[in-house]
Amino acid sequence: NAGVMQNPRHLVRRRGQEARLRCSPMKGHSHVYWYRQLPEEGLKFMVYLQKENIIDESGMPKERFSAEFPKEGPSILRIQQVVRGDSAAYFCASSQLAGGTDTQYFGPGTRLTVL
Amino acid sequence: AQSVTQLDSQVPVFEEAPVELRCNYSSSVSVYLFWYVQYPNQGLQLLLKYLSGSTLVKGINGFEAEFNKSQTSFHLRKPSVHISDTAEYFCAVSKAAGNKLTFGGGTRVLVKP
Repeated sequence: NAGVMQNPRHLVRRRGQEARLRCSPMKGHSHVYWYRQLPEEGLKFMVYLQKENIIDESGMPKERFSAEFPKEGPSILRIQQVVRGDSAAYFCASSQLAGGTDTQYFGPGTRLTVL
Repeated sequence: AQSVTQLDSQVPVFEEAPVELRCNYSSSVSVYLFWYVQYPNQGLQLLLKYLSGSTLVKGINGFEAEFNKSQTSFHLRKPSVHISDTAEYFCAVSKAAGNKLTFGGGTRVLVKP
């Protein structure tokens, strides 16, 4: 069973460009979470999605960031008009069930560098 | 809201010595507790979790942690570390009725020969 897959692993963008990060959950998992890890910091929750629904976006910046998890295909985290402060590692996790007890399995992350 | 504090940002330790990584949390509701490990340039891997029951939890790679409700702590221990344990370790909590994980700042463990 393949784990959580994220691509690209590394992404370089210039200020003002768009960044699009993809996450394919583990087979059979319908819950996806995105976290951001800024340099020298721990991971911070951004958004929790189920298929076609955003369940909790309390950690998402109000502007420029959006996420989706369509019925078919990977979950996408989109950052418009990137700025240097968006440089970070973005991790996706998936779980099979809802609820705090179910283990979240993490992908290898996408490291975004904004020049 | 929950918060997690990992008191040590870095812990150097010699190979085959014991190690303890401290984690304290605060929450107004019941929480579940987790320890994850992150090897360089990789994602996070679950070491162990506490949901309920016995306060001593055993995980993978010889790690264990003890939940102490009165001290709101969940310290991670390993009696004898290997070079391969060099990594960053994150403590995390989630609300019993919620989903998102709240992480501590991480503890970097460097195992020296």
